[in-house]
Amino acid sequence: DAGITQSPRHKVTETGTPVTLRCHQTENHRYMYWYRQDPGHGLRLIHYSYGVKDTDKGEVSDGYSVSRSKTEDFLLTLESATSSQTSVYFCAISDRGQNTGELFFGEGSRLTVL
Amino acid sequence: GQNIDQPTEMTATEGAIVQINCTYQTSGFNGLFWYQQHAGEAPTFLSYNVLDGLEEKGRFSSFLSRSKGYSYLLLKELQMKDSASYLCAVRGNQGGKLIFGQGTELSVKP
Repeated sequence: DAGITQSPRHKVTETGTPVTLRCHQTENHRYMYWYRQDPGHGLRLIHYSYGVKDTDKGEVSDGYSVSRSKTEDFLLTLESATSSQTSVYFCAISDRGQNTGELFFGEGSRLTVL
Repeated sequence: GQNIDQPTEMTATEGAIVQINCTYQTSGFNGLFWYQQHAGEAPTFLSYNVLDGLEEKGRFSSFLSRSKGYSYLLLKELQMKDSASYLCAVRGNQGGKLIFGQGTELSVKP
């Protein structure tokens, strides 16, 4: 299994508070991704990174920011959480240079915004 | 725009064969992936197609037609543990990112 850990795994917070989710990998993969998964929408890409300090927006990036200061860590921040950001967040990694470049997913972080 | 369509739900019988279809319209194409996701768990990689044709991997096979923007996942000798959501995803031209369909919830009945 790919070495990916997400923290926290569960979080309940209130509207307007900042939240940071952390994704940590031990695979030294170049690409890292944050997805959210909601019923009826499947997995939607929030932001992704193709190297240290290199990030780009996905299809649902509004209200989210990311940072990648080290290869192994990719942080997702909700500056002011809203109820619409209640979701399950998945981090994924890939290395396009090997095999098919498939994504390996972390276990997910369930966020509830009250 | 980008669009990936797959049926929302399917039901099949243990021991049978089921085919889950996926159609896509994306800007650029660098491969199509199928993932399996059990309830409450992370998606896990099943198969990858980048050229037209059939890729077989044990009980699972995946087919791709790039000209038709079409793929299917074929599951043979269904088992109860195959009850899960099956996600179709396409990799475009940018950053290796995958765009996912909504997933097909497969229920396997005895």
